[in-house]
Amino acid sequence: EAGVAQSPRYKIIEKRQSVAFWCNPISGHATLYWYQQILGQGPKLLIQFQNNGVVDDSQLPKDRFSAERLKGVDSTLKIQPAKLEDSAVYLCASSYTRGAQETQYFGPGTRLLVL
Amino acid sequence: GENVEQHPSTLSVQEGDSAVIKCTYSDSASNYFPWYKQELGKRPQLIIDIRSNVGEKKDQRIAVTLNKTAKHFSLHITETQPEDSAVYFCAAGVGGSYIPTFGRGTSLIVHP
Repeated sequence: EAGVAQSPRYKIIEKRQSVAFWCNPISGHATLYWYQQILGQGPKLLIQFQNNGVVDDSQLPKDRFSAERLKGVDSTLKIQPAKLEDSAVYLCASSYTRGAQETQYFGPGTRLLVL
Repeated sequence: GENVEQHPSTLSVQEGDSAVIKCTYSDSASNYFPWYKQELGKRPQLIIDIRSNVGEKKDQRIAVTLNKTAKHFSLHITETQPEDSAVYFCAAGVGGSYIPTFGRGTSLIVHP
């Protein structure tokens, strides 16, 4: 089974520039998550999609971050404009639900450095 | 919302010793508690999980215990090996509509 795919793997930009990340979840997984993981911390959920609908985006800084999953499969996360504190690893994950059981799989992440 | 506290932040053990990592959660509605292992520069990988209808689950050298009354759950690794060295994260959420909250992580170092 292919895993969660993300691109790019690394990105270096200057503050105030824009950047976009792409995620392709595991085939058949209805739920897709974007996390921000700052060095030395646990992943922080930014947004969760169920198919193409948003389940939770309460921790997404909506003044600069946006995400979409138009066809309920791939997703993009955009930051515009970037700030220094956005430097982090952006992890995409997908999950399936069997009954009340949820199993989540993470992608390799995109390392963002904002200079 | 859910708040997950994880302790200790760093744990150093000798090879062969046991390691225990503890987490507490705040939302009594949470019923799904996974544990992830993240090696340096790699993605988090699920190693074991427990649901609120059981109190303990084992998988070879790892086990997880859950105390719903006290709202805490723990990861136990026995006979630790150097390859167990990694950052371990606990998480809590409601299964079925899973919106997970992660702990801050425990850096486990196993000395040969």
